[in-house]
Amino acid sequence: GIQVEQSPPDLILQEGANSTLRCNFSDSVNNLQWFHQNPWGQLINLFYIPSGTKQNGRLSATTVATERYSLLYISSSQTTDSGVYFCAVGGGAQKLVFGQGTRLTINP
Amino acid sequence: DAEITQSPRHKITETGRQVTLACHQTWNHNNMFWYRQDLGHGLRLIHYSYGVQDTNKGEVSDGYSVSRSNTEDLPLTLESAASSQTSVYFCASSVGRRAEAFFGQGTRLTVV
Repeated sequence: GIQVEQSPPDLILQEGANSTLRCNFSDSVNNLQWFHQNPWGQLINLFYIPSGTKQNGRLSATTVATERYSLLYISSSQTTDSGVYFCAVGGGAQKLVFGQGTRLTINP
Repeated sequence: DAEITQSPRHKITETGRQVTLACHQTWNHNNMFWYRQDLGHGLRLIHYSYGVQDTNKGEVSDGYSVSRSNTEDLPLTLESAASSQTSVYFCASSVGRRAEAFFGQGTRLTVV
């Protein structure tokens, strides 16, 4: 099955810093999503991005499907950005395979 | 607003008991999924369904079952709860083949 690797596993930044989270996957995919799991455990949809680039406020994402990776950019970090960021991919079927996540801590 | 809801949010049960976790969505999505989240393992797929009367095993299906009698609901049953099934359980739904999945709030299950 598809393997998903996220890096870095942990990231600690000061408020206002920028960050880049990476997701590598082992096979071609039809579906790729980025999620933010907040400190209360909720999974928040950030991007549905099987290919191309999208932006939403301070967050943007790029997926290069031919090279099997996706990047999530967070600019001007805020303490509310803290939490775990997951990349999840789907191949021929609709089910998602999750990476291990990147734990982001933003210090004031 | 359309949504996906899980119940209960928290449950404590004893080893050996049968437990059912509910998942209900009002989007009329044909795809529904159950995942569990454990420290060090991320989210892993338990069972999934692509429509009424369709169910499929995921990566970690042993000890769990699901049934899909209508579009809106996919209950997850633990036949005989074990301490290894202590986890946070998430339900999700999506429509179609290439579509965004949406997750419920999660159910924290403790087996003592």
